[in-house]
Amino acid sequence: EILMTQSPATLSVSPGERATLSCRTSQSVGSNLAWYQKKPGQAPRLVIFGASTRATGIPARFSGSGSGTEFSLTISSLQSEDSAVYYCQQYTNWPPLTFGGGTKVEI
Amino acid sequence: EMKLVESGGGLVQPGGSLTLSCAASGFTFGSYEMNWVRQAPGKGLEWISYITGSSSTIYYADSVKGRFAISRDNAKNLLYLQMKSLRAEDTAVYYCARDLRVAGVRWFDPWGQGTQVTVSS
Repeated sequence: EILMTQSPATLSVSPGERATLSCRTSQSVGSNLAWYQKKPGQAPRLVIFGASTRATGIPARFSGSGSGTEFSLTISSLQSEDSAVYYCQQYTNWPPLTFGGGTKVEI
Repeated sequence: EMKLVESGGGLVQPGGSLTLSCAASGFTFGSYEMNWVRQAPGKGLEWISYITGSSSTIYYADSVKGRFAISRDNAKNLLYLQMKSLRAEDTAVYYCARDLRVAGVRWFDPWGQGTQVTVSS
């Protein structure tokens, strides 16, 4: 099973600042990594797939990078609506398909 | 608009059973692989089951293997999760999600809004 480690657990950022979230995998997953945004009471929302491709409707301030075992999600200029928990997910060596523990972004 | 709507959650006693449904609309349901994912209170997302469009391949997480069964009815655009021998640790919000794949890269989109399952006496 591929283990996913996200850091930090919580990120407190002021509006307009830049936020960088990290996801590490225990084995290489190539570019097969996705990021999801989860707000309380809402469905998870796809943000990034293929490590760096923005999903439809996701603002350009969101960007993903990395390959192999090290990945990052960057929000270039935080808005209040970006407050959420962000999860990374690998889909290379499965089952089981695995998610990271999440990073909570507080504005 | 592509949409997934879960139903069937509720309060059930330990050892009991429950069947969840996921109604799909806005896309050709039978052409897509589907998944169930859950989120326990205060915890992260946990993938629990996968099914291909033809139901020919099914996978489960170890935590539910032998107790849960995924199935689908493509004529009715419905995905199911039959849950038996429920435990307190199965308490969670259960989401269905469509599986997408392009050039070897895969992801989930969209997700349903979730249905709450509470296992308690």
